Amino acid sequence: NAGVTQTPKFQVLKTGQSMTLQCAQDMNHEYMSWYRQDPGMGLRLIHYSVGAGITDQGEVPNGYNVSRSTTEDFPLRLLSAAPSQTSVYFCASSYSRGLGTEAFFGQGTRLTVV
Amino acid sequence: GQQVMQIPQYQHVQEGEDFTTYCNSSTTLSNIQWYKQRPGGHPVFLIQLVKSGEVKKQKRLTFQFGEAKKNSSLHITATQTTDVGTYFCAGPRDDKIIFGKGTRLHILP
Repeated sequence: NAGVTQTPKFQVLKTGQSMTLQCAQDMNHEYMSWYRQDPGMGLRLIHYSVGAGITDQGEVPNGYNVSRSTTEDFPLRLLSAAPSQTSVYFCASSYSRGLGTEAFFGQGTRLTVV
Repeated sequence: GQQVMQIPQYQHVQEGEDFTTYCNSSTTLSNIQWYKQRPGGHPVFLIQLVKSGEVKKQKRLTFQFGEAKKNSSLHITATQTTDVGTYFCAGPRDDKIIFGKGTRLHILP
């Protein structure tokens, strides 16, 4: 039972490059979300999805795109990387619309933009 | 919009001392969750509180949900080195789960 799988674990990008952070879950969860974690800032919600084909913006969506073509996968795309996007990114999933069910987190992706 | 505020941001305690972190919301919460993140790790769910005034215990950890369902606390009795990490509270806002900034606990030997 893999749970929530994120790849890659580490990534270094040059300013202006684009990339996709992958997230997959095998628990048939409806709700998936992406957070970024910066020192002193806690976990800030980037984008989330309440089901396949449905996505919405979180607290800090600028510079990121998401799609949810299947229940299992929720990739996060950085369109043109900036140093301000240096952070640790976590993908999370939960059984329902995030209300009252625990979130399962992936191991995280540590991204550095130079 | 609704915010979930958490204090303190950092806490240093001697091993064996107690520790408490507090979470406050600007609006009433239908439920509140607590997570723990070990250094270098990912957040892991600890517990969920739903009822007004609810108190739940997990060994040395005591979780409380306020009567007005706007605040919550996590208390650790007699801290151990295994308690090191960051503790987050999280509350729902519309379809989203919003996290507090967390309290980082350092244990001094």
